[in-house]
Amino acid sequence: EPEVTQTPSHQVTQMGQEVILRCVPISNHLYFYWYRQILGQKVEFLVSFYNNEISEKSEIFDDQFSVERPDGSNFTLKIRSTKLEDSAMYFCASLPRGGETQYFGPGTRLLVL
Amino acid sequence: AQSVTQPDIHITVSEGASLELRCNYSYGATPYLFWYVQSPGQGLQLLLKYFSGDTLVQGIKGFEAEFKRSQSSFNLRKPSVHWSDAAEYFCAVSTNAGKSTFGDGTTLTVKP
Repeated sequence: EPEVTQTPSHQVTQMGQEVILRCVPISNHLYFYWYRQILGQKVEFLVSFYNNEISEKSEIFDDQFSVERPDGSNFTLKIRSTKLEDSAMYFCASLPRGGETQYFGPGTRLLVL
Repeated sequence: AQSVTQPDIHITVSEGASLELRCNYSYGATPYLFWYVQSPGQGLQLLLKYFSGDTLVQGIKGFEAEFKRSQSSFNLRKPSVHWSDAAEYFCAVSTNAGKSTFGDGTTLTVKP
């Protein structure tokens, strides 16, 4: 069965550094999402992406965040200048046209020191 | 705006006992409803989902859930809990191609 993949599985970075989290959605899916989960808390929506543009974003998704689908297969989340509070698990998800279920990737655990 | 409430932060049950985890949602139209399970440090595993039709849905690992529109609820049940069911459980609601909104989660502890 096709799966959403994410790389890296773990990343440690210094505060103020830029990080790029990568996701490969399922190939025929058209809607893409990023979520984050701070340790011990619930999963929170960050952004949704469709037709090469952001369709919705949350208050969390400020100017430090950006998303891109650079090559038709990857879907990336960039954090320009990481803060300690960006430490979390980041999940990518994708959805096919007409589908109801988002398929979640395994997550990238980001630790900002 | 859509929202999900899981009233129970932590539930402890004995192995072999029945389980019910509560979930209430708020959304104007008929939502898509989901239950996920997450073990520590792991990803989200989909247990079951409801879109339409039969309001009692069966999922993996012996779980089921019942959609009750009048109560805006989607409670998760299992007749006999196993020690391996100990985990965090999240209820979620989404819309057509829209974002998913998750509840705060319920931590399930299983006593031997």
